[in-house]
Amino acid sequence: KAGVTQTPRYLIKTRGQQVTLSCSPISGHRSVSWYQQTPGQGLQFLFEYFSETQRNKGNFPGRFSGRQFSNSRSEMNVSTLELGDSALYLCASSRTGATTEAFFGQGTRLTVV
Amino acid sequence: QQPVQSPQAVILREGEDAVINCSSSKALYSVHWYRQKHGEAPVFLMILLKGGEQKGHDKISASFNEKKQQSSLYLTASQLSYSGTYFCGTEGFQGAQKLVFGQGTRLTINP
Repeated sequence: KAGVTQTPRYLIKTRGQQVTLSCSPISGHRSVSWYQQTPGQGLQFLFEYFSETQRNKGNFPGRFSGRQFSNSRSEMNVSTLELGDSALYLCASSRTGATTEAFFGQGTRLTVV
Repeated sequence: QQPVQSPQAVILREGEDAVINCSSSKALYSVHWYRQKHGEAPVFLMILLKGGEQKGHDKISASFNEKKQQSSLYLTASQLSYSGTYFCGTEGFQGAQKLVFGQGTRLTINP
């Protein structure tokens, strides 16, 4: 079956702009989690969605937001980009949430200049 | 709070064994282990739940000591394909729906 698909794979944005990243989970998976990965901070949890509802969120500023659609596809948005937002953004899908096996997408590499 | 992994890095020869530890200062409900190769997505290895059994497949196994809030990943007779960065992700309580990952352990297997 198809894996988790993230688009775009690479993105270059300017400070102050906003960006939207997309994640299509594995068919049948209703939970989507988003993570930010940087060399200094590692993998940091952004938020988790299940059936269009955000069930938990990490310690990120309000500039980071997300949503999930009825087909379980998810988007995350970052507004007013800062240089420190440069990172690999990964999404992971699972059937029901954190206690089930999660499959990660290849990620979106965001560079803010 | 972020779990602490040790060691941060380890270099082995093919066929040697390795143990990677993941410790938390808070009570844990579950521990997840992932391996990430350079430039690739993290790949799921196993989940250990509070009160559950030790898990394992092939030559990779893991344990979860609930009293110590610690999990250990065991790689036996390591193969070149085991190289990568190993992450533990912890869930503080059932239903948290949030994994907090450690900083990772870089494992290098040489021929």
